[in-house]
Amino acid sequence: QLQLQESGPGLVKPSETLSLTCTVSGGSIRSSDHYWAWIRQPPGKGLEWIGNVFYSGSTYYNPSLKSRVIIIEDTSQNQFSLRVNSVTAADTGVYYCARQRFVPQWDGFDIWGQGTMVAVSS
Amino acid sequence: QSVLTQPPSASGTPGQTVTISCFGGNSNVGVEPVSWYQQLPGAAPKLLIYSNDQRPSGVPARFSGSKSGTSASLAISGLQSEDEADYYCASWDASLRAQVFGGGTKLTVL
Repeated sequence: QLQLQESGPGLVKPSETLSLTCTVSGGSIRSSDHYWAWIRQPPGKGLEWIGNVFYSGSTYYNPSLKSRVIIIEDTSQNQFSLRVNSVTAADTGVYYCARQRFVPQWDGFDIWGQGTMVAVSS
Repeated sequence: QSVLTQPPSASGTPGQTVTISCFGGNSNVGVEPVSWYQQLPGAAPKLLIYSNDQRPSGVPARFSGSKSGTSASLAISGLQSEDEADYYCASWDASLRAQVFGGGTKLTVL
């Protein structure tokens, strides 16, 4: 069965760039029915959608984060990645990658990674 | 301030039925499918309901979803202690062209 696994540094300094990768196993990122998403959760708070990417490279971003975020796919490695620039303490939290069906309409996130904690601190 | 509005907390006793509401607008819940997620302490969210009222395989029939206009609901019948968790609703927002979540509801089983 398809599984997602996040990886990347657990500590990032303020003003630097947060970089995470989600590796897809047990299936292909080249799905015509799914987008691949990043979602985060600050400590003790709710879920916040960051953005998503299609295997062709098409993306959508949270308007509140769009100026600092980029999500890219790497079909050769069956991965997709997240970069958040100019991080502050407000970017601290657990980061999840997930799969989302968008055919025939945008729908649920049916598969999630286990999440990775990222702290922004000097 | 979340685009979708949920009550911050809900509670019930074992065996009861609990309903959690999710209020949105004409650009999201009113026109797009709603999904629901259960997040147990320390775990990743799990899809409970998609397409307003569909359960993925493996999700007990005790969990059901419904939608009417710009509001949606998650009902949990035969409440069990292991249902104690945070629950989130979500929908695509056609105006924002973005996914939106509710603020989450913490369910306590008394």
